[in-house]
Amino acid sequence: DMKVTQMPRYLIKRMGENVLLECGQDMSHETMYWYRQDPGLGLQLIYISYDVDSNSEGDIPKGYRVSRKKREHFSLILDSAKTNQTSVYFCASSLRDRDSGNTLYFGEGSRLIVV
Amino acid sequence: KTQVEQSPQSLVVRQGENCVLQCNYSVTPDNHLRWFKQDTGKGLVSLTVLVDQKDKTSNGRYSATLDKDAKHSTLHITATLLDDTATYICVVGDRGSALGRLHFGAGTQLIVIP
Repeated sequence: DMKVTQMPRYLIKRMGENVLLECGQDMSHETMYWYRQDPGLGLQLIYISYDVDSNSEGDIPKGYRVSRKKREHFSLILDSAKTNQTSVYFCASSLRDRDSGNTLYFGEGSRLIVV
Repeated sequence: KTQVEQSPQSLVVRQGENCVLQCNYSVTPDNHLRWFKQDTGKGLVSLTVLVDQKDKTSNGRYSATLDKDAKHSTLHITATLLDDTATYICVVGDRGSALGRLHFGAGTQLIVIP
């Protein structure tokens, strides 16, 4: 069963608190991604991971860090959350060859509110 | 600067009607273009992918075209159903591997009414 699972699905945090968003996939995909989706904007890439301990910054990495210690798990960490990090966060995974035959598989999103 | 523009921003159609969603982009190079469907509160699900210079695909009631010379794609939905209510997102990939960048449009919100 090809699936990307995100936890938690909903989260409310106070400004300055730490946030851990977790993502798992059961497809043995090498590549995993964290995106955020804000109203009126396309998804923005925060971090990409090409495999275990092989992570690269995306377009908006500031304020975030990631951890990938197992191929099937990819975590997004916010140290000292800010109100402008209120968003919906999506995890995705794909095979390394991402041509016509291989798509991204997305989780259902983690809705974070920072107050 | 937004490199993938989708229109209309939102669209309301009656069940059974056809509709066309547009995607214009400036991404270079443009290796492939993919359409995703995002139900409210859910993740993105791939509908179809277009690869060739002038490409057409068909997936049930969904069909799509791509013209790389014009950097333009369309998604046609035939005989819409209530379950077609969703946001449709156009994504352009500049390479065929994970080393490339994906450029996301903001989406077209389609509402199908009875």
